[in-house]
Amino acid sequence: DAGITQSPRYKITETGRQVTLMCHQTWSHSYMFWYRQDLGHGLRLIYYSAAADITDKGEVPDGYVVSRSKTENFPLTLESATRSQTSVYFCASSVQGSGNTIYFGEGSWLTVV
Amino acid sequence: GENVEQHPSTLSVQEGDSAVIKCTYSDSASNYFPWYKQELGKRPQLIIDIRSNVGEKKDQRIAVTLNKTAKHFSLHITETQPEDSAVYFCADPGYGGSQGNLIFGKGTKLSVKP
Repeated sequence: DAGITQSPRYKITETGRQVTLMCHQTWSHSYMFWYRQDLGHGLRLIYYSAAADITDKGEVPDGYVVSRSKTENFPLTLESATRSQTSVYFCASSVQGSGNTIYFGEGSWLTVV
Repeated sequence: GENVEQHPSTLSVQEGDSAVIKCTYSDSASNYFPWYKQELGKRPQLIIDIRSNVGEKKDQRIAVTLNKTAKHFSLHITETQPEDSAVYFCADPGYGGSQGNLIFGKGTKLSVKP
């Protein structure tokens, strides 16, 4: 049971480059989420998706793009990376949304130089 | 919009003592209150949750209490052990909004000294 997996786990990129973080879950959960974690800010929601082809903004969506063409995949793209987007990114999934247990991936450590 | 405040931001206790972390939420429509634990370098994981139809829930050494009138819920850890050292997050789905907008508190770093 692979659960929820993220790739890459670690990445260093340059300012202005496009970066895509991948997220894949094997549970057929309806909901998927992307959070970023920074010291002093906790976990902040970037985007979430209720089902394939349905996405919605969270607290901090600026500079990010998501898509969900298949239930199991929820990639996050930084169209033009900035230093302020250096963070740990967590993908997560849930059966029926935020009123149920959310299962997190292992995280993707992104550094923008 | 949804807002959840968590206190304290850091907490240091001696092994065997109790620890209490409190979260205050703003959306009166909220009806689900989870607590997540994140060990250093690892992913957050759910440790306990409560729904608004009960006031308290226990699971061995951890418990969560809910006060809907005051709009706060608390995590209680008794007989703390070094392995309880972690960052703890509360969360509020704020059902005044959508099913996906789970907002986390800023976290409490708990240190248990042997």
